Amino acid sequence: DTAVSQTPKYLVTQMGNDKSIKCEQNLGHDTMYWYKQDSKKFLKIMFSYNNKELIINETVPNRFSPKSPDKAHLNLHINSLELGDSAVYFCASSPHRGSGNTIYFGEGSWLTVV
Amino acid sequence: TQLLEQSPQFLSIQEGENLTVYCNSSSVFSSLQWYRQEPGEGPVLLVTVVTGGEVKKLKRLTFQFGDARKDSSLHITAAQPGDTGLYLCAGDTGFQKLVFGTGTRLLVSP
Repeated sequence: DTAVSQTPKYLVTQMGNDKSIKCEQNLGHDTMYWYKQDSKKFLKIMFSYNNKELIINETVPNRFSPKSPDKAHLNLHINSLELGDSAVYFCASSPHRGSGNTIYFGEGSWLTVV
Repeated sequence: TQLLEQSPQFLSIQEGENLTVYCNSSSVFSSLQWYRQEPGEGPVLLVTVVTGGEVKKLKRLTFQFGDARKDSSLHITAAQPGDTGLYLCAGDTGFQKLVFGTGTRLLVSP
């Protein structure tokens, strides 16, 4: 029973398209995240939501729009995809937003923009 | 911008050898975590260290947090092929945001 699940796992799309990645966690956690891992395996936070409220919004192009319909879901919509958006996107969750939390990651969504 | 530099970037060793991975920063963190990531999967938390100078052991893995809470090390004793993976340190800025290190890829050959 997967704790943090995201779909799709692989996505190949053309430049200029709009795509969404969905994420769900069944751990009852309050806080959810989107991270981006580039080709050099560098992992960087993009967004964080706590109980559906946006609490972290890093320097991310506004083509990226997260949406949290409830605290168990955090979806990522990307408009006008660019080549540089190719990366692995990880959804994650943690019990709460406090320091020292354990963060549970999904398996990642491999996005390739051609 | 807070940066966490890991060294070495890549390490290839034989089974049974010992190794140490370093994670360094000029910034102070409220806590520091170590993750291991295997191909095709997300990172999995190994340990969290909170107090300066703290040492934690997880079987053959020993983690240490620097006294000033700016750096950390991971020492693996008698490495096994199952230890192969990408090791990531991550510093908690205290603002509910983790800053990840540059990563160390470990390959342990039988």
